[in-house]
Amino acid sequence: KNEVEQSPQNLTAQEGEFITINCSYSVGISALHWLQQHPGGGIVSLFMLSSGKKKHGRLIATINIQEKHSSLHITASHPRDSAVYICAVRTGGFKTIFGAGTRLFVKA
Amino acid sequence: GAGVSQSPSNKVTEKGKDVELRCDPISGHTALYWYRQSLGQGLEFLIYFQGNSAPDKSGLPSDRFSAERTGGSVSTLTIQRTQQEDSAVYLCASSWGVQQPQHFGDGTRLSIL
Repeated sequence: KNEVEQSPQNLTAQEGEFITINCSYSVGISALHWLQQHPGGGIVSLFMLSSGKKKHGRLIATINIQEKHSSLHITASHPRDSAVYICAVRTGGFKTIFGAGTRLFVKA
Repeated sequence: GAGVSQSPSNKVTEKGKDVELRCDPISGHTALYWYRQSLGQGLEFLIYFQGNSAPDKSGLPSDRFSAERTGGSVSTLTIQRTQQEDSAVYLCASSWGVQQPQHFGDGTRLSIL
């Protein structure tokens, strides 16, 4: 079993839909990142969380430390949101463990 | 301001050759990370530098891989005696500190023939 599991692996949504991507982890962490990788490879850090909830524009990230679970929500999705979303956890040291990613396609 | 810069953007080399990849972090960022992403695979941590502290090398896959960071700024990742399985995109990221969001470079696509 991978230490960081994301679901779903692939997601197709209609423009305007509310989207949720989940991340569960089995190791102790000091922080959790949500990353976005567009076709062509560029990676952007969306959020870094160690507790609670963060919001940036149409994106919301939550984390439940006790349940070892985080969610990334996208409200009013748009075709430009199409990308791979990656959950990554930083362990008590400096090592970062990545999930396999969720490939999102938003149809116009 | 300038982001994280990596060079070269693409590198093709023959099996058995040594390669050196360069990362220029954002000025002032004390933390620097190297990752790799193999074709169809997820991201994999390689090494982490924080200021003048000893680097965390726990992700380096073999002793053919080494990295250094000179003067707390530019970093080079060296792969000796390259193998075909070393083919991947090598990504560098930097941040103000270990608790801060990371900024990623565009990566070096390494192909071993």
